[in-house]
Amino acid sequence: GEDVEQSLFLSVREGDSSVINCTYTDSSSTYLYWYKQEPGAGLQLLTYIFSNMDMKQDQRLTVLLNKKDKHLSLRIADTQTGDSAIYFCAEIDPGSGNTGKLIFGQGTTLQVKP
Amino acid sequence: EPEVTQTPSHQVTQMGQEVILRCVPISNHLYFYWYRQILGQKVEFLVSFYNNEISEKSEIFDDQFSVERPDGSNFTLKIRSTKLEDSAMYFCASSRTGQGSNEQFFGPGTRLTVL
Repeated sequence: GEDVEQSLFLSVREGDSSVINCTYTDSSSTYLYWYKQEPGAGLQLLTYIFSNMDMKQDQRLTVLLNKKDKHLSLRIADTQTGDSAIYFCAEIDPGSGNTGKLIFGQGTTLQVKP
Repeated sequence: EPEVTQTPSHQVTQMGQEVILRCVPISNHLYFYWYRQILGQKVEFLVSFYNNEISEKSEIFDDQFSVERPDGSNFTLKIRSTKLEDSAMYFCASSRTGQGSNEQFFGPGTRLTVL
């Protein structure tokens, strides 16, 4: 079945760029998402990209999609301590029609050191 | 800003007991979801609900699980006879449509501990 994989941990210094990577298995994926989870909070949608795009930029966030390699990345420029959180890559299940079922990766914990 | 709320934030129960997890989705949303995350594992889809019926469910969502929208605001997940392996964080989500371009808003979760 469909699968989404991420590395588990990333540590950066404040002010550096962070790059969080994700791979997925289903080449027919249409929408891919990045969610952020802060301690004690729910999952917050940061950004998403449609499969006909290679890149999407939103302020400090840049999403890159390599469809050939089925690789998605999230770059956070000028990382701040407030960016420390767990970041989840997700895709909408291509086989689920319009039910909206999401498939998540295991989450990458981003630690930002002052 | 509208948000999805869930109660309780933490539920402790004995194995074999029934639990009901409650969610209040965003008021003009039509699609509702439950996901769960066992500690250290991925967030897993359980069920989606639209037009007062289940639109999709996962293999995890067996006969022990049920969902209900008893009134115009609440969306509940019932586990009839809890097992140890049901211990997890349960997230409710809602969206206006089921389309990929439409954001799913998640609640803060209910941590279920089965002893």
